[in-house]
Amino acid sequence: DVKVTQSSRYLVKRTGEKVFLECVQDMDHENMFWYRQDPGLGLRLIYFSYDVKMKEKGDIPEGYSVSREKKERFSLILESASTNQTSMYLCASSPTRRLQNIQYFGAGTRLSVL
Amino acid sequence: GNSVTQMEGPVTLSEEAFLTINCTYTATGYPSLFWYVQYPGEGLQLLLKATKADDKGSNKGFEATYRKETTSFHLEKGSVQVSDSAVYFCALSEGYGQNFVFGPGTRLSVLP
Repeated sequence: DVKVTQSSRYLVKRTGEKVFLECVQDMDHENMFWYRQDPGLGLRLIYFSYDVKMKEKGDIPEGYSVSREKKERFSLILESASTNQTSMYLCASSPTRRLQNIQYFGAGTRLSVL
Repeated sequence: GNSVTQMEGPVTLSEEAFLTINCTYTATGYPSLFWYVQYPGEGLQLLLKATKADDKGSNKGFEATYRKETTSFHLEKGSVQVSDSAVYFCALSEGYGQNFVFGPGTRLSVLP
């Protein structure tokens, strides 16, 4: 079974802190994604990566950066956390394989910025 | 661009009722279609998928048929249970895995 592991289920940070959200997948998938999920807004793509050291902006990249130094790990960085970044963050991975491009999700990290 | 539209709910049903959640899509090519389910406090899990026209995906009593002529992928279940209470997301993907589009999600509550 594919496993996508997010390092924390719940996180509480203060405004202005630098925050790292970590995600690891064990299926050698090329693609990895970071979404945020807010009530009434569904899933919104922040960034994705299709290879090591490669990244593409999603729909809402402002205030975030990402790092992918190894294939299995994709980190989301909040350079200076703000209260409007309080949200549920979901990591996903998928293979680059036509007709088999299922996204597999982690359990999510619920971040509160005070 | 590609998009997915689904009824936003919330949908409230009694146990053993019939469920339909509508999903329609817009795509430039020939996408794969998915239904994901999210239980409270959890990430999304794949419920079922279909990769070409007239394919039927099924899992745990849920079914959805890929209808190219109506660009739809409606989710159905004949008899819902309390444990089916969750948020359901319709999604599509084209190409090689980078282009994924989710619908807004439909919250389902099943009452005993």
